[in-house]
Amino acid sequence: DARVTQTPRHKVTEMGQEVTMRCQPILGHNTVFWYRQTMMQGLELLAYFRNRAPLDDSGMPKDRFSAEMPDATLATLKIQPSEPRDSAVYFCASGTTQGARVEQYFGPGTRLTVT
Amino acid sequence: DQQVKQNSPSLSVQEGRISILNCDYTNSMFDYFLWYKKYPAEGPTFLISISSIKDKNEDGRFTVFLNKSAKHLSLHIVPSQPGDSAVYFCAASAGDYKLSFGAGTTVTVRA
Repeated sequence: DARVTQTPRHKVTEMGQEVTMRCQPILGHNTVFWYRQTMMQGLELLAYFRNRAPLDDSGMPKDRFSAEMPDATLATLKIQPSEPRDSAVYFCASGTTQGARVEQYFGPGTRLTVT
Repeated sequence: DQQVKQNSPSLSVQEGRISILNCDYTNSMFDYFLWYKKYPAEGPTFLISISSIKDKNEDGRFTVFLNKSAKHLSLHIVPSQPGDSAVYFCAASAGDYKLSFGAGTTVTVRA
């Protein structure tokens, strides 16, 4: 049963600290998404990778957030420095392209709390 | 700018009855619509979808209806079961990879 895995599942940190969230996409998937879930906005797209190349990071605050795919089995999302307003659940999703669309499979999320 | 809106944050329904979840959108370029289901401590999972060339799609107990003129879609669950208690997200795309999600509706099915 192939699944997207995310670590850590929970993270509590103090304002100003660096936070790194990791995602292992499903083997064979060529696309990776990062989303942030907040109560008011639902799921917001932060970044999109295809074949490890970042194609869209327009949803990401550029001054403090960065996303990378060091290899096909690992995607990372970093926040430096973290702020209380970053508190949210961060989801990674992977998928395969079907024409222009991508069927997305979500990981369990990382719940981040910044105090 | 919320392009997909789920105006009911929660819904409570008796087991065996129908659950109706509603979703409105503002972007007329959206041509593909999806519903995702999410249990606590898990990620969203795909439930059902509909293309804009259709007005109805059915999969077992789940039916999605699309009214393009009203920019409105709904998800019907009949009959509702306790295992359907979850958060349901409506999502839409405009012909590409990008999904715009609503804020979600929490469904509680009472025994």
